[in-house]
Amino acid sequence: QKEVEQNSGPLSVPEGAIASLNCTYSDRGSQSFFWYRQYSGKSPELIMFIYSNGDKEDGRFTAQLNKASQYVSLLIRDSQPSDSATYLCAVIRGNYGQNFVFGPGTRLSVLP
Amino acid sequence: DTEVTQTPKHLVMGMTNKKSLKCEQHMGHRAMYWYKQKAKKPPELMFVYSYEKLSINESVPSRFSPECPNSSLLNLHLHALQPEDSALYLCASSRRSRSSKDTEAFFGQGTRLTVV
Repeated sequence: QKEVEQNSGPLSVPEGAIASLNCTYSDRGSQSFFWYRQYSGKSPELIMFIYSNGDKEDGRFTAQLNKASQYVSLLIRDSQPSDSATYLCAVIRGNYGQNFVFGPGTRLSVLP
Repeated sequence: DTEVTQTPKHLVMGMTNKKSLKCEQHMGHRAMYWYKQKAKKPPELMFVYSYEKLSINESVPSRFSPECPNSSLLNLHLHALQPEDSALYLCASSRRSRSSKDTEAFFGQGTRLTVV
């Protein structure tokens, strides 16, 4: 089992719709979870981080964490064509340290 | 300011060359990272420095040699690389804390390395 898993996509949604991106992780000790956006040929850009169970909202983005299910998701409301990118879920291994592990990424395509 | 600066942006080197990649941040972060990213793959962790000391080496071949001369700088020395080492090399930094919180990592723009 991979440490961090995501559907590779592509996930296609129409402009204005809600895009839902999912991520599961295997290390029950993980405490910190991150979503990065990466445009083709560019470096990852941090969008959200979440540490506690429940929802965390920032503008059009909502991160959801369920530690019991080892599941973290990212919702993008009112999706725009500029949101088209690869979304990387990242987890810090264990409950202490700097060891970021990335999932394979989900490619999102927002259709005008 | 969440800027991590990497130089050069592009590098082409032969298999017998020696070159260095440089990374700089002035955010006071005490953890710095090197990642390697191949096309259509996620970043793979290579090295982590914590308070200028190497804390994680993900079994990287010795032809890659990291160095952290001070809290703001991180280098990656390259020697005798292979064509399969061609990739995007990303530097990142984060605060270093005893808890796992407040540890989000910020990435530089990367160095696109081609080994010929």
